Amino acid sequence: EDQVTQSPEALRLQEGESSSLNCSYTVSGLRGLFWYRQDPGKGPEFLFTLYSAGEEKEKERLKATLTKKESFLHITAPKPEDSATYLCAVQDTTSGTYKYIFGTGTRLKVLA
Amino acid sequence: DAGVTQSPTHLIKTRGQQVTLRCSPKSGHDTVSWYQQALGQGPQFIFQYYEEEERQRGNFPDRFSGHQFPNYSSELNVNALLLGDSALYLCASSLLGGHGGEQFFGPGTRLTVL
Repeated sequence: EDQVTQSPEALRLQEGESSSLNCSYTVSGLRGLFWYRQDPGKGPEFLFTLYSAGEEKEKERLKATLTKKESFLHITAPKPEDSATYLCAVQDTTSGTYKYIFGTGTRLKVLA
Repeated sequence: DAGVTQSPTHLIKTRGQQVTLRCSPKSGHDTVSWYQQALGQGPQFIFQYYEEEERQRGNFPDRFSGHQFPNYSSELNVNALLLGDSALYLCASSLLGGHGGEQFFGPGTRLTVL
């Protein structure tokens, strides 16, 4: 069965303290892996799409990488405004379906 | 360029009632997917609509139904509401039945069932 696991569940960082969030996945046919940021009570905001192992994407202080079994979201010198829940999702192509399977997210708190 | 819009923002219902949630996709998108997100959890896929048909469905009972209109907007209907249906309901739009990859989410509708 397709599965997405994110770790850690929660992370507290001091401003400027770099770290990484992990997303491990089990899926028969990976079409894409997606990272989203979600603020409390709001809809997820799209960040990155990764399609193949070895691919990397960057946006400001965020960098996403992909291997055959997991993805990392690296946060360099975070600021308090980076505090949010970060969600990972995979898109499965098995049996012609293209639904997204989400992890439960990592709640990030960056302290000033 | 208008993003994904949803209405209403909040809704309070009692057990057994029925509810309809609405979604307009991002300009240029033709596919709408609906998700349920319980507090502290990731979004769970309910179903996807493309070309006015339900193309895929997650593990949700038949009490959950939907519709897509010719202008690509969509409705989610939930009958016989249960307390456990309380959640944030998210609409996401994409291109070409999801083949286009990225889904863009609306702000959600917070449903509370009393």
